[in-house]
Amino acid sequence: SQQGEEDPQALSIQEGENATMNCSYKTSINNLQWYRQNSGRGLVHLILIRSNEREKHSGRLRVTLDTSKKSSSLLITASRAADTASYFCATGPLETSGSRLTFGEGTQLTVNP
Amino acid sequence: DAGVIQSPRHEVTEMGQEVTLRCKLISGHNSLFWYRQTMMRGLELLIYFNNNVPIDDSGMPEDRFSAKMPNASFSTLKIQPSEPRDSAVYFCASSLQGAYTEAFFGQGTRLTVV
Repeated sequence: SQQGEEDPQALSIQEGENATMNCSYKTSINNLQWYRQNSGRGLVHLILIRSNEREKHSGRLRVTLDTSKKSSSLLITASRAADTASYFCATGPLETSGSRLTFGEGTQLTVNP
Repeated sequence: DAGVIQSPRHEVTEMGQEVTLRCKLISGHNSLFWYRQTMMRGLELLIYFNNNVPIDDSGMPEDRFSAKMPNASFSTLKIQPSEPRDSAVYFCASSLQGAYTEAFFGQGTRLTVV
């Protein structure tokens, strides 16, 4: 079963606009990760935020985490056509015995030139 | 390091045949994940290894699927016999420490069972 659920399922914006994607999850986590997947390719890690962190930045990416609401958001600022891809959140479990990295359904982002 | 390497990139096989997918981990990584991706079910975790030992195989669909890590840098996923519903893209990913660190994905194997 999927741990994370991304919202929206699809997002279409113009180049230069900001894109915001949300992720909700169900159980307590050690960390939450965001990945990008271009069509026909493997997933590429973007950013990892730990449960004791609230916000993290990497270039044009900004991730927030609200553990009380069990939700995270990924903001891409000043989007480019090259940002067109599917974006997934994934959660790392709190318990140390297992280590399932489970993914949501993804958000398909289209950035129009 | 060349990253996680999967082979073959594409595989077309007839129903009932055995299929073996291969994965080479990044040197120094001790965790391996096998995933299956389809439009209907998204990304499903099939099995997770840590230090060559299968820790969680609850995602393996049925006995037709088996995975091994004969050494620290290599893994295989075998389907025997294959069925059309096994058609999907299969990814392996490695990490330094399970789900506590970033995972590096291979390019995937697109499997078509006819």
